[in-house]
Amino acid sequence: RKEVEQDPGPFNVPEGATVAFNCTYSNSASQSFFWYRQDCRKEPKLLMSVYSSGNEDGRFTAQLNRASQYISLLIRDSKLSDSATYLCVVNYGQNFVFGPGTRLSVLP
Amino acid sequence: GAVVSQHPSRVICKSGTSVKIECRSLDFQATTMFWYRQFPKQSLMLMATSNEGSKATYEQGVEKDKFLINHASLTLSTLTVTSAHPEDSSFYICSARDREGGQGSKSLYEQYFGPGTRLTVT
Repeated sequence: RKEVEQDPGPFNVPEGATVAFNCTYSNSASQSFFWYRQDCRKEPKLLMSVYSSGNEDGRFTAQLNRASQYISLLIRDSKLSDSATYLCVVNYGQNFVFGPGTRLSVLP
Repeated sequence: GAVVSQHPSRVICKSGTSVKIECRSLDFQATTMFWYRQFPKQSLMLMATSNEGSKATYEQGVEKDKFLINHASLTLSTLTVTSAHPEDSSFYICSARDREGGQGSKSLYEQYFGPGTRLTVT
């Protein structure tokens, strides 16, 4: 089983839609969790950290369930500019493990 | 703040030659830098973790004699791809953790990525 798994995608949604991505991780010692977005042929950029209590940043909401080893990202009112690959990242110690990513295309 | 640069951004080299990629933290000191490789339509794969002043720790399957990493200062790490072959063609990305992570508003665990280097070996 891979250390970090994500919805395979791609997700093609119309503008204004709400879309949710799921991520599971296998290492129960994982300490920190992040969502990154990566545009085509660019480096990943931090979207948000994920806290146990859940956190929201504008249209983006992240949730963490340690018991189920599950992380989610919800995007509301999606924009064309949200089209990208969303990477779930799990950290333990010095190790950062990236999920395979879920590609999102927001269509006009 | 928290800017990481990489140089070159793009390089084309002949098979058998060596290529050096630089990764610099511009406005912070990084005790730890990471080197990743990304093939088309695949996720980032960690190649090695580099701590300033010590030998890099390589992931399983990554040849340390082929991918030489030097982290001589708190702001610079280099990756040298020796005797490059076409199968080494990839997108190489470095990232760095802030030495002061965990202090003030700085996250303890956040890493900052460079813009990447696209290597093509012909």
